[in-house]
Amino acid sequence: GQQVMQIPQYQHVQEGEDFTTYCNSSTTLSNIQWYKQRPGGHPVFLIQLVKSGEVKKQKRLTFQFGEAKKNSSLHITATQTTDVGTYFCAEAKTSYDKVIFGPGTSLSVIP
Amino acid sequence: NAGVTQTPKFRVLKTGQSMTLLCAQDMNHEYMYWYRQDPGMGLRLIHYSVGEGTTAKGEVPDGYNVSRLKKQNFLLGLESAAPSQTSVYFCASSYVVFGEQFFGPGTRLTVL
Repeated sequence: GQQVMQIPQYQHVQEGEDFTTYCNSSTTLSNIQWYKQRPGGHPVFLIQLVKSGEVKKQKRLTFQFGEAKKNSSLHITATQTTDVGTYFCAEAKTSYDKVIFGPGTSLSVIP
Repeated sequence: NAGVTQTPKFRVLKTGQSMTLLCAQDMNHEYMYWYRQDPGMGLRLIHYSVGEGTTAKGEVPDGYNVSRLKKQNFLLGLESAAPSQTSVYFCASSYVVFGEQFFGPGTRLTVL
């Protein structure tokens, strides 16, 4: 069935280093949503990408949707300890009443 | 505004027992969802509702039932709990179907 894969599964970075997580699918994605979940917390919506090649920025976070709409990435510039958490991508297929979450990338930031 | 709230926060059940998880939202959202989260598997949709009085199956509906008698509430029931249902359960709501979802704090359920 439809799967959304994320790499890496875990990432440990030194504070100040950059971080990127990738979301991949074998089929064309309708759209991509990104969520962040702090340890012990609940997922919080970050952004939704819909258009091919779309790039959106939120302060130090840059989100990109691939030209073929089969992958997406989240890049964090100069990580801070507040960036710690798990980042999930999700595809919502409204035509099929489905939402598929990726397994997430867990980010640790070493001060 | 409280956003999305869930009751209870923690629960331990014995195999075969039943329970109901309550989700409430005060944002007047039409759409509500129940997910389960297991380690390394992200979130999986159990059931969802597109409005008061309606429910639909998600990816992993077996063993669960839901009801949406009031717009602001979405109940998840386990009729006969099994150890495989040990998980963290999240409720969410949205203004647009499968759009930006607002999640509750979660319920950690253990079935012995």
